[in-house]
Amino acid sequence: SQTIHQWPATLVQPVGSPLSLECTVEGTSNPNLYWYRQAAGRGLQLLFYSVGIGQISSEVPQNLSASRPQDRQFILSSKKLLLSDSGFYLCAWSVFPNTEAFFGQGTRLTVV
Amino acid sequence: GESVGLHLPTLSVQEGDNSIINCAYSNSASDYFIWYKQESGKGPQFIIDIRSNMDKRQGQRVTVLLNKTVKHLSLQIAATQPGDSAVYFCAENMGRGNDMRFGAGTRLTVKP
Repeated sequence: SQTIHQWPATLVQPVGSPLSLECTVEGTSNPNLYWYRQAAGRGLQLLFYSVGIGQISSEVPQNLSASRPQDRQFILSSKKLLLSDSGFYLCAWSVFPNTEAFFGQGTRLTVV
Repeated sequence: GESVGLHLPTLSVQEGDNSIINCAYSNSASDYFIWYKQESGKGPQFIIDIRSNMDKRQGQRVTVLLNKTVKHLSLQIAATQPGDSAVYFCAENMGRGNDMRFGAGTRLTVKP
């Protein structure tokens, strides 16, 4: 069966520090991968998606970047965090674009 | 933009009653819709989906209704249980790329 792992679960980082969140998927090949951000009491905002290794599309301009160094690995990064980067970050995968997505457990990031 | 209001609507129901959660979507070209359930501190989980060539789909204790004329989607939960307490999101396929657009969500609270 397929599983998705996302870590860490919680993270407190100072303003200006770098960020690296990692997501891996097991049990499937060539998944579509997504990073979402969820502000408190709000819906999910799509940040990045990837249809293959090295292929990253960004939905909104921001202080973040994403990379896909391996087929089932998706990384969310920042060189210098801002207070506004705080939120709940979710990684997800799907077999095909715009179909049912399977989400990780999320990372709660607090920038202080 | 967001297909529903910015503030998280809430719905409180008595255990055993039926629940109806509503969602207004924005794009008349959207042809695929998903309902997700998100429990506190976790990632969203797929509940049920529907394509635009249907107006009703039933699952176990859940029914999704689609009214394309008024761009309205609803999720009906029969015999609501305490374990149904969560935030429920609708997501629409915006008809371009990999963009599944999520609504802001509705918080369902089930009273014993």
